[in-house]
Amino acid sequence: DAKTTQPPSMDCAEGRAANLPCNHSTISGNEYVYWYRQIHSQGPQYIIHGLKNNETNEMASLIITEDRKSSTLILPHATLRDTAVYYCIVRVARGYNKLIFGAGTRLAVHP
Amino acid sequence: DSGVTQTPKHLITATGQRVTLRCSPRSGDLSVYWYQQSLDQGLQFLIQYYNGEERAKGNILERFSAQQFPDLHSELNLSSLELGDSALYFCASSVTGQGVAEAFFGQGTRLTVV
Repeated sequence: DAKTTQPPSMDCAEGRAANLPCNHSTISGNEYVYWYRQIHSQGPQYIIHGLKNNETNEMASLIITEDRKSSTLILPHATLRDTAVYYCIVRVARGYNKLIFGAGTRLAVHP
Repeated sequence: DSGVTQTPKHLITATGQRVTLRCSPRSGDLSVYWYQQSLDQGLQFLIQYYNGEERAKGNILERFSAQQFPDLHSELNLSSLELGDSALYFCASSVTGQGVAEAFFGQGTRLTVV
């Protein structure tokens, strides 16, 4: 599975959009981009995933660049409850494969 | 609530002992994953089962073993416990073990070895 690079930490003001970047320059054509988050010591929570088209759900939007080498998770109106570690994961969408978590980005949303 | 149930929530035991952690996947999910998260460490993948069979393995210690039963619940057995085994242990489940199915995580078992 391709490796990902994320900034270790980010800050965001409550009510503003949080844009979390992820670099996955070695991604291959059959690999999806997944985002999970972990709120302090709770079990990780699935957010969204995509292949090459932008995706949106009730939690967030995922923007994938045309060359698929990077992506951005957007939380449109961040709240204090969005303070968490956000993980960007690239995973082959076939076969039995591990869901490997990196260090992630620690997002702090402040009033 | 993810629908994944882990028991017990907390466990305190002594070095050298053996413990069993239990995971009940979401209804309909056939695949179970186990993860270890030590203090200030990332999530380390241990092992994955699909419909009772082992499908993927991470850096799981030989002192650790797991299985998935016919009713699809899974158990993680940790033996000869050491202080360094103190961690949060998470179980996750997904509909399948492959494809794009997202994984749903339980709230974890916090193991403290003293």
